[in-house]
Amino acid sequence: GQQVMQIPQYQHVQEGEDFTTYCNSSTTLSNIQWYKQRPGGHPVFLIQLVKSGEVKKQKRLTFQFGEAKKNSSLHITATQTTDVGTYFCAADQTGANNLFFGTGTRLTVIP
Amino acid sequence: EAGVAQSPRYKIIEKRQSVAFWCNPISGHATLYWYQQILGQGPKLLIQFQNNGVVDDSQLPKDRFSAERLKGVDSTLKIQPAKLEDSAVYLCASSLSLRTGSYEQYFGPGTRLTVT
Repeated sequence: GQQVMQIPQYQHVQEGEDFTTYCNSSTTLSNIQWYKQRPGGHPVFLIQLVKSGEVKKQKRLTFQFGEAKKNSSLHITATQTTDVGTYFCAADQTGANNLFFGTGTRLTVIP
Repeated sequence: EAGVAQSPRYKIIEKRQSVAFWCNPISGHATLYWYQQILGQGPKLLIQFQNNGVVDDSQLPKDRFSAERLKGVDSTLKIQPAKLEDSAVYLCASSLSLRTGSYEQYFGPGTRLTVT
């Protein structure tokens, strides 16, 4: 069955440092989405990647989709305290938007 | 624009009791999802509706969980009887129809269930 692994599980960074989380699927994906969940909150959609090798940027956030459409990464440049939360990738294998969420990477930013 | 509404926000029950959760999606959203999020894990899809039809319920424990979306708008998720391992946050999400190519899911605040 579908498996989605994320590394690292936890990351502590000093404010201003960069941060990257990686997502790996056991199967080829139709698309991949990224969500952010603040402590005590609910997941909030960040982006969707569809094409092989696709790269998208949102201000300090850069998202990549692997050439084989099995892995993805999220990179944050110069972290801020507002970036605190858990970042989940969510894999869509069939294109029907029935998502398998990854294990998540919990980011702590030390001021 | 109003977000996804869920109630109750918190529920504490004893094992073997029954519980029901309610969700009202964003107006106009055809697709509705129920997720279970156990502490420290990512959300796990339980069931996906497109209007009032089930698209995917492969991970729904059907011996104790049931869900319906009779009029294609709001939805209820029921657990009967509850087990200790059902303690989790139950999240409802909605999205526009897949035919529009819009995949973004909007999540509600969730219902935190504690089974004692």
